[in-house]
Amino acid sequence: GQQVMQIPQYQHVQEGEDFTTYCNSSTTLSNIQWYKQRPGGHPVFLIQLVKSGEVKKQKRLTFQFGEAKKNSSLHITATQTTDVGTYFCAGDSNYQLIWGAGTKLIIKP
Amino acid sequence: KAGVTQTPRYLIKTRGQQVTLSCSPISGHRSVSWYQQTPGQGLQFLFEYFSETQRNKGNFPGRFSGRQFSNSRSEMNVSTLELGDSALYLCASSRAGGRGTDTQYFGPGTRLTVL
Repeated sequence: GQQVMQIPQYQHVQEGEDFTTYCNSSTTLSNIQWYKQRPGGHPVFLIQLVKSGEVKKQKRLTFQFGEAKKNSSLHITATQTTDVGTYFCAGDSNYQLIWGAGTKLIIKP
Repeated sequence: KAGVTQTPRYLIKTRGQQVTLSCSPISGHRSVSWYQQTPGQGLQFLFEYFSETQRNKGNFPGRFSGRQFSNSRSEMNVSTLELGDSALYLCASSRAGGRGTDTQYFGPGTRLTVL
């Protein structure tokens, strides 16, 4: 079936280091959405990418959608404690959202 | 505008019992989706309702069922509870049709514990 693979499952970083999570789909996506779930919270929408090769920025967060619309990435520059949480991608394939398993960002003490 | 609300927030049941969870979407949203979240398992899609009709269904056994009312409020029911059903159940509403292009607005979830 349709899958969206998201890696890594966890990423431990020192505060101030960068963080990246990647999503790869087995099928071409019409769009991809990104969500953030803080510990103890619920997923909150961050952004949607629609166009091939699209790049969008939100302050320290950079989102990319691949040329083939099968992969996407989220990059956070200079992580802060407020970035802690799990980041999910969700790809739209045939009008159904297919969710990645999430990448948990952990800041090392 | 009020967000998505879910009741109850916490629930403890024993094996074999059944449970009903409720979700009230954002006003004007017609699509409601349900997800199960367990540690390390991400978000598992249960089903999606739009205009009182189930439009999409995930890969869950028939013990999991749902419905949507004319005011878009939705309920999900789990019968014959098993220990493995312990999870956070999240409801998400979206505006137009539950299509992937619509932003999903999640409720706070119902934490179900099965003993």
